[in-house]
Amino acid sequence: KQEVTQIPAALSVPEGENLVLNCSFTDSAIYNLQWFRQDPGKGLTSLLLIQSSQREQTSGRLNASLDKSSGRSTLYIAASQPGDSATYLCAVSSGDMRFGAGTRLTVKP
Amino acid sequence: EAGVTQFPSHSVIEKGQTVTLRCDPISGHDNLYWYRRVMGKEIKFLLHFVKESKQDESGMPNNRFLAERTGGTYSTLKVQPAELEDSGVYFCASSLLRGNYGYTFGSGTRLTVV
Repeated sequence: KQEVTQIPAALSVPEGENLVLNCSFTDSAIYNLQWFRQDPGKGLTSLLLIQSSQREQTSGRLNASLDKSSGRSTLYIAASQPGDSATYLCAVSSGDMRFGAGTRLTVKP
Repeated sequence: EAGVTQFPSHSVIEKGQTVTLRCDPISGHDNLYWYRRVMGKEIKFLLHFVKESKQDESGMPNNRFLAERTGGTYSTLKVQPAELEDSGVYFCASSLLRGNYGYTFGSGTRLTVV
């Protein structure tokens, strides 16, 4: 059974800092890994999708990496802004999608 | 294209009542998934439809939950009778094909059972 772990559970940084969120999964036989953002009271917004054959994906200030063999992914956020404050969720698909518990990020002005 | 739509966005019901949640997937997406997040826990898979057929319902918590997808279009998730521990956010997602395609999620239905 696939298990997804995200570290840290919560993170608070001053505006402008670069930061890394971590995700690990137990079964490396995945189709893809997806990073989502969830704002309070809102749905899930897909940020980046990495296929199993890829090593990384970039979108603006976000960069996600995937090391399938070690069961790890990182989400790098450059030059963080207060508007980045949200819960970031990692999800892996081995057919059905399994989520981590998320990292709650607060970026202080 | 229109995204995944869920209705209602919020629902407050009393214990023992019935609630039906609805999800309209992206048009043409055969795969439809239900997930839920209860307070303080991670988002958990409930079930997966391929068109109108239940592909995997291993995540359904008990027989008080009934999901349907008549005609392979929209889906409903009925909770009857609702219990306090059913409170949480219920998400629906759809994808074009299973596996190598990302999921698009709806905004969720926040269910509160009092």
